[in-house]
Amino acid sequence: GAVVSQHPSWVICKSGTSVKIECRSLDFQATTMFWYRQFPKQSLMLMATSNEGSKATYEQGVEKDKFLINHASLTLSTLTVTSAHPEDSSFYICSASRPGQGAYGYTFGSGTRLTVV
Amino acid sequence: AQSVTQPDIHITVSEGASLELRCNYSYGATPYLFWYVQSPGQGLQLLLKYFSGDTLVQGIKGFEAEFKRSQSSFNLRKPSVHWSDAAEYFCAVGVGSGNTGKLIFGQGTTLQVKP
Repeated sequence: GAVVSQHPSWVICKSGTSVKIECRSLDFQATTMFWYRQFPKQSLMLMATSNEGSKATYEQGVEKDKFLINHASLTLSTLTVTSAHPEDSSFYICSASRPGQGAYGYTFGSGTRLTVV
Repeated sequence: AQSVTQPDIHITVSEGASLELRCNYSYGATPYLFWYVQSPGQGLQLLLKYFSGDTLVQGIKGFEAEFKRSQSSFNLRKPSVHWSDAAEYFCAVGVGSGNTGKLIFGQGTTLQVKP
């Protein structure tokens, strides 16, 4: 079946540094990927829609300069949290649109736990 | 604005008992509705979805859901819960065109299963 891999699965970084999270579709090409943020015991909040070869579309209230999204190929999208602060600590999940699966045929990654200390 | 409400934050049921998780949505057009399950520290797995047609939808792992337009609801049910069903459950509504449409999630319901 379709697999979306996120790397790393967890990361601890120091406040002020930047961290990059990768989302890869392993066995299909994904023209569209989505990035979500999930606080403990809360829902997934869509941060941005990432389209291959074009700029990401950010949801209202999401700082595009802080959360840099790049979708350079049909199998890879990256989320870079720049100048991370403790309040950026969260669980980040990506999903990819899988061709041929019909409407909303999305496959989710396993998530990345970011802790900023 | 589109929204999804899951009134129950936490539910505990005994193994073998029936289960119903509630979901209400707010959406102006005919909704695309989904139920996902999330195990701790994991991504989401699709249980079932409703686009049109039969309002009773069958999914994986023995789950089913019923779309009731008059009540703006899409409740998830399972006749007999297994201990492995303990997880977080999310209801979602799809907004926009199918391959790039957004999913709006509810707050989630944590299911605990007692032995």
